[in-house]
Amino acid sequence: EVQLVQSGAEVKKPGDSLKISCKGSGYSFTNYWIGWVRQMPGKGLEWMGIIYPGDSETRYSPSFQGQVTISADKSISTAYMQWSSLKASDTAIYYCARQGSSDWGWNYWGQGTLVTVSS
Amino acid sequence: QSALTQPASVSGSPGQSITISCTGTSSDVGGYKYVSWYQQHPGKAPKLMISDVSNRPSGVSNRFSGSKSGNTASLTISGLQAEDEADYYCSSYTSSSTYVFGTGTKVTVL
Repeated sequence: EVQLVQSGAEVKKPGDSLKISCKGSGYSFTNYWIGWVRQMPGKGLEWMGIIYPGDSETRYSPSFQGQVTISADKSISTAYMQWSSLKASDTAIYYCARQGSSDWGWNYWGQGTLVTVSS
Repeated sequence: QSALTQPASVSGSPGQSITISCTGTSSDVGGYKYVSWYQQHPGKAPKLMISDVSNRPSGVSNRFSGSKSGNTASLTISGLQAEDEADYYCSSYTSSSTYVFGTGTKVTVL
C-alpha cells in the first residue's frame, strides 16, 4: 500500500528555521515525482514545487522560488520542505503528494502538516 | 503564473448534474492534456477525481467526468449526491514545467 506520512504539527516564532518531512512507503521512492502544496487558513490550494527523488531534480513555482527549499533523501525515502526564516504568513497546512504511475494526476497525498508561526 | 479561474460556488439538487469550469491560458490548460481535478472535504487532504483531462482513477465514481475545450477544462458531476458537497480544484501542468491550481469551487447540494 502506497503511503505518504508527514511530520507532525509545528509551532514556531517569526525568524525561526524549520524543516518538515514526507516519508514514502509501499513503492519505489526514487521513481515518482513528489510535490508540495500550501493551503493557508480558509484558502485554496497552491503548488509550491516538485522534486524527483531519483536525481533530485527540483522545480519551484514562481511564487515560492527563493522562499523555500525542497529536498529529498532517497536512502530513507523522505522528502523535505525547509524554511530558513519563517514569517507569520507561512502559517498554513502543507501537503505532500505523489504523482501517478500511468498518468499525471497526483493520486497519493500525505495527511498534511500544520505550521503555525506566531510571536 | 496566475491561478486558473473557477467559479466560487456551484449548487444543485440531489440527482441533478452540475459542471465546474476551469479557465487558463495556452501556457497551461490549453497547451497540455495534463489537467486534473481534486475534491477536498473540510479538514481532509485533497483526493484525485480526474487526471489527464478525462481519466477517472480506479475507485472514483463514474458520476464524475472531465473534458477540455481550448483553454477551458470542465468537471461534470452527474446524479449529484449529498456526499459530493465539497471544494473542488482543477490543476494543470504549465509551460514553466510546474503546476498551477484553480481558485477552487465550493459545491453545495441543496
